[in-house]
Amino acid sequence: QPVVTQEPSLSVSPGGTVTFTCGLSSGSVSANNYPSWYQQTPGQAPRALIYSTNTRSSGVPDRFSGSILGNRAALTISGAQADDEADYHCMLHWGSDTWVFGGGTKLTVL
Amino acid sequence: QVQLVQSGAEVKNPGASVKLSCKASGDTFTRNLIHWVRQAPGQGPEWLGFITPSGGGGINKYRFQGRVTVTRDTSTSTVYMELSSLISEDTAIYYCARENGVGNFDYWGQGALVTVSS
Repeated sequence: QPVVTQEPSLSVSPGGTVTFTCGLSSGSVSANNYPSWYQQTPGQAPRALIYSTNTRSSGVPDRFSGSILGNRAALTISGAQADDEADYHCMLHWGSDTWVFGGGTKLTVL
Repeated sequence: QVQLVQSGAEVKNPGASVKLSCKASGDTFTRNLIHWVRQAPGQGPEWLGFITPSGGGGINKYRFQGRVTVTRDTSTSTVYMELSSLISEDTAIYYCARENGVGNFDYWGQGALVTVSS
């Protein structure tokens, strides 16, 4: 199956902006891959943030945004807060009916 | 209120099968795709398969061809996932999740820990 690549870790200062990216080992990510992003804290199920590239899931604040940057999907957090510290997972649609997750990025807010 | 209630933890021997359930509340069962996702300790999530309201669906054929089956019981609004030929690497928390918008897994079950050990 295709490999979805993410930064292993990122850090951001409180109030700052951070961008995560998500790539495909086999080529470019496009809107046809319906990129989605999930936030996960220890012991909890993933929480949907962004789907279909740039649509926020219900209840997600607008400081979370999604886009395509070059050949990768991107998630940007603006005005980072302490409780944004978590793992962030990208998920891409592949082929006709397969979803693939990346390995996740650990965000530190310091 | 949307709820996905899963069955409990399981301990299985290598080579055995496990069948997990996910009971959906409200109209989730008749309106939404239900997916199965697992997460091994310290690893990222991994997608296993899904079922549609009409009973169709698909599985992750790259990783689980022939080992995963997703079914449903319309009389109880319950979705099942069976994983066969278990190996130790199948030890993980298994979740069901509702899809509401393409790629929007917005509600998740509480998870079920499956431990494969002799």
